Amino acid sequence: EAAVTQSPRNKVAVTGGKVTLSCNQTNNHNNMYWYRQDTGHGLRLIHYSYGAGSTEKGDIPDGYKASRPSQENFSLILELATPSQTSVYFCASAGTGDAEQFFGPGTRLTVL
Amino acid sequence: QQKVQQSPESLIVPEGGMASLNCTSSDRNVDYFWWYRQHSGKSPKMLMSIFSNGEKEEGRFTVHLNKASLHTSLHIRDSQPSDSALYLCAASKAGYNKLTFGKGTVLLVSP
Repeated sequence: EAAVTQSPRNKVAVTGGKVTLSCNQTNNHNNMYWYRQDTGHGLRLIHYSYGAGSTEKGDIPDGYKASRPSQENFSLILELATPSQTSVYFCASAGTGDAEQFFGPGTRLTVL
Repeated sequence: QQKVQQSPESLIVPEGGMASLNCTSSDRNVDYFWWYRQHSGKSPKMLMSIFSNGEKEEGRFTVHLNKASLHTSLHIRDSQPSDSALYLCAASKAGYNKLTFGKGTVLLVSP
C-alpha cells in the first residue's frame, strides 16, 4: 500500500509567523497534492504537483506556497500565517493517469 | 457554489440496514467519480471509483453512475457499526487526476 507521511502531525503557530508543512511519499508517484479540511467544507485543493520542480495552483491557493524539490517530497508553506488558516491539512499522492489518491495522516495546524 | 453536491448531510441507519448516499456534479466537464471513506480522526481512503454508466459492486458496496445527469450513488447493504464514517464523493476530468470533493455525508450505523 502507498505510504505517505506528514510532519509535523500537530503544530501551533503565531499570527504572522512562517509555517512549513512537509510531506514524503515512498511510492515513486508523480502526482502530489495538498488539501485542507474544515467542517462544512469537505476537502479543498490548495496546490498540487505533477513531478519534481513543478507546482500548480489548486482551488484555494491564496496565502499558500508549495515546493516540490524531489519526487518524494512536497511542502506547503504559509509565509504569514493567519487564524483563518487553522485547519487540518492532508497531503496525498497518486500515480500517473486517473489513479487513486493515497492520503497521509494529516497535520492539525492551529494559528493563534 | 459547491460543484459537487452530496446528500443527505447525515444519515442514521440500523445495523444490518441499507444506507444510500447521493452525489451530483454541477460541472459537466467531469468524467470520473470517486467515493472515499474517512473514519473519525483518520485520513480519507478510497472506497470505490466508477468511470462508466451503470453499476459496480464490491462486496457490500454498490455504486451507480448516470453520466447523463452526472449523478452517482453509493449503497451499503448489511450496514455495520464499523461503516460509521464520513463519506466523501469526488469528481475528476479524464487525464487530469485533480479531484473536486463534496462536503460529505456523515453515516452513523446504530447497533
